[in-house]
Amino acid sequence: SQQGEEDPQALSIQEGENATMNCSYKTSINNLQWYRQNSGRGLVHLILIRSNEREKHSGRLRVTLDTSKKSSSLLITASRAADTASYFCATGYISGGYQKVTFGTGTKLQVIP
Amino acid sequence: DAGVIQSPRHEVTEMGQEVTLRCKPISGHDYLFWYRQTMMRGLELLIYFNNNVPIDDSGMPEDRFSAKMPNASFSTLKIQPSEPRDSAVYFCASSLQGALSGNTIYFGEGSWLTVV
Repeated sequence: SQQGEEDPQALSIQEGENATMNCSYKTSINNLQWYRQNSGRGLVHLILIRSNEREKHSGRLRVTLDTSKKSSSLLITASRAADTASYFCATGYISGGYQKVTFGTGTKLQVIP
Repeated sequence: DAGVIQSPRHEVTEMGQEVTLRCKPISGHDYLFWYRQTMMRGLELLIYFNNNVPIDDSGMPEDRFSAKMPNASFSTLKIQPSEPRDSAVYFCASSLQGALSGNTIYFGEGSWLTVV
């Protein structure tokens, strides 16, 4: 089964509001990344957080990681209509001797102008 | 750099036909991934290569699927024979290093496959 599960599955907010998405995973990880996917396009990397880090910032993005709870959150502040997209967490870990990157189920964000 | 290049972007084929998807990774990237995305199952890793060698193909659904990487700049994913349940978006992606490094994975724009 997939390593990451995102919550909520869909989120609709007004422009200017903050958007928070959560990701839960099942096994120990080495790192966690967040990606964005616009409709009909490939995924684009947003931010990386390593297992020994608790919080990272990049522009309007803030990511937290709680390894004890096996969860991460992505906060987008002051959202814009252009932030409308699906957001995925991706966990990097070892399984069966292989390095793996597994993507979550995604949160579909709609920002209403 | 042009990024990861995939072809074809769209393909509609009849059940039973052979489908070949192509990928050119970013130059210098040692890792190449094939993912499949569907509404039901999300984004699934099918196989990945390191330095042109298949490392983990545990995600390949069945023997109808095969992937090759004859050189550092080219990979194919083949489905033979194709079935309607193979309809999905197939992404090729590449990265400098493996999962534990946390390197960014760069995705192509995907190949949208419809099997009728």
